[in-house]
Amino acid sequence: QLQLQESGPRLVKPSETLSLTCTVSGGSISSRSYFWGWIRQPPGKGLEWIASIHYSGTTYDNPPLKSRVTISVDTSKNQFSLKLNSVTAADTAVYYCARREAGRPIDHWGQGTLVTVSS
Amino acid sequence: DIQMTQSPSSLSASVGDRVTMTCRASQGISNYLAWFQQKPGKPPKSLIYAVSTLQSGVPSKFSGSRSGTDFTLTISSLQPEDFATYYCQQYSSYPITFGGGTKVEMK
Repeated sequence: QLQLQESGPRLVKPSETLSLTCTVSGGSISSRSYFWGWIRQPPGKGLEWIASIHYSGTTYDNPPLKSRVTISVDTSKNQFSLKLNSVTAADTAVYYCARREAGRPIDHWGQGTLVTVSS
Repeated sequence: DIQMTQSPSSLSASVGDRVTMTCRASQGISNYLAWFQQKPGKPPKSLIYAVSTLQSGVPSKFSGSRSGTDFTLTISSLQPEDFATYYCQQYSSYPITFGGGTKVEMK
């Protein structure tokens, strides 16, 4: 059964870089049919898609975040990662990693990790 | 970007009620519309994709429909486990966008 697990620092200082990794188990990240992505949810608020990546390296970004986001994939480790730079308190959120099949919506989510931006 | 507008933002209902909520897309998205259920402290759970196709294991009390760019999620008979927040999502084009959510609360 496919499982996704987020990992990374839970506390980040303002102006620094938020870095998260999603480890995929129970399936290969190198499958041609799937895209791997990040979604976030500020406390008490709705869902915001951040970015997605295909194992081939093709990426898709959300325009409001595009200038601060880097998404990458490491097929040897079956992982993909998110970097969000120049963070502010507004970036405090639960960050989820997720999978979607081409032409389909998200079908698997990680459990999410709360990242707080604070000095 | 395609904006997804959900209504109402919250509703109060009782066990056994029929509940409906709506999601309107700012432009055509064909049938690329999904619904998710989220409970506090948990990731969203996929309920429906392609407007009306139930994900495996989702009970048939959930149903979805479309009229133009308006999409509806219906719960035929609300049960205690259905009190949650529901989100729609369009996956017609990037950036993928979500509605603001409809919180179903107990009356």
